[in-house]
Amino acid sequence: QVQLVQSGAEVREPGASVKVSCKASGYDFISYYVHWVRQAPGQGLEWMGIINPSGGSTTYTQRLQGRVTMTRDTSTRTVYMEMSSLKFEDTAVYYCARAVGNWIDSWGQGTLVTVSS
Amino acid sequence: QSALTQPRSVSGSPGQSVTISCTGTSSDVGFYNYVSWYQQHPGKAPKVIIRDVTKRPSGVPDRFSGSKSGNTASLTISGLQAEDEADYYCCAYAGSYLWVFGGGTKLTVL
Repeated sequence: QVQLVQSGAEVREPGASVKVSCKASGYDFISYYVHWVRQAPGQGLEWMGIINPSGGSTTYTQRLQGRVTMTRDTSTRTVYMEMSSLKFEDTAVYYCARAVGNWIDSWGQGTLVTVSS
Repeated sequence: QSALTQPRSVSGSPGQSVTISCTGTSSDVGFYNYVSWYQQHPGKAPKVIIRDVTKRPSGVPDRFSGSKSGNTASLTISGLQAEDEADYYCCAYAGSYLWVFGGGTKLTVL
């Protein structure tokens, strides 16, 4: 079955960077785009961007442009989301999610990133 | 790219029907038939309940239905059950490989 397994919780200081991984299994890795979505505590879902695992092309929300980078490693079937210049308001659960057409059919378990001094 | 507009909360009694609206613009909800809806229980990852405006993925009860008129999409839940109490999010494709979520609606089953 389709599985997306994310890396564990992280704590960073403001201004630092964090890299979250998402390992895919159970399907043809390069055939499905992967979204990244985050959710701040008690808040709604925010779409961050999308990566095509086949060629590595990416599109990011304008709000995070310049601070977020999504990459993939086809040899390990893993996508990564790196965010730099972290701010307190970046504290959130970060999800990777598989795209099927224009919707999402599978989600990772989420990774809590806490930005704290 | 602004968030889609949803009511913060809706409520209904068991057996009743509720409708959650999701208002976007002529560039996202109004332009593409690519609106999806997600149900999220506390502490869990979201789960798709409607895709492509009206289609129910396999395993989703037919109590859930979707529609769209102009720049507003709607999710209707009929025959409310206690387990439907959750947060609901709409999501729309906005072109150029961009997507946008709604702010979310908390459904309370009275």
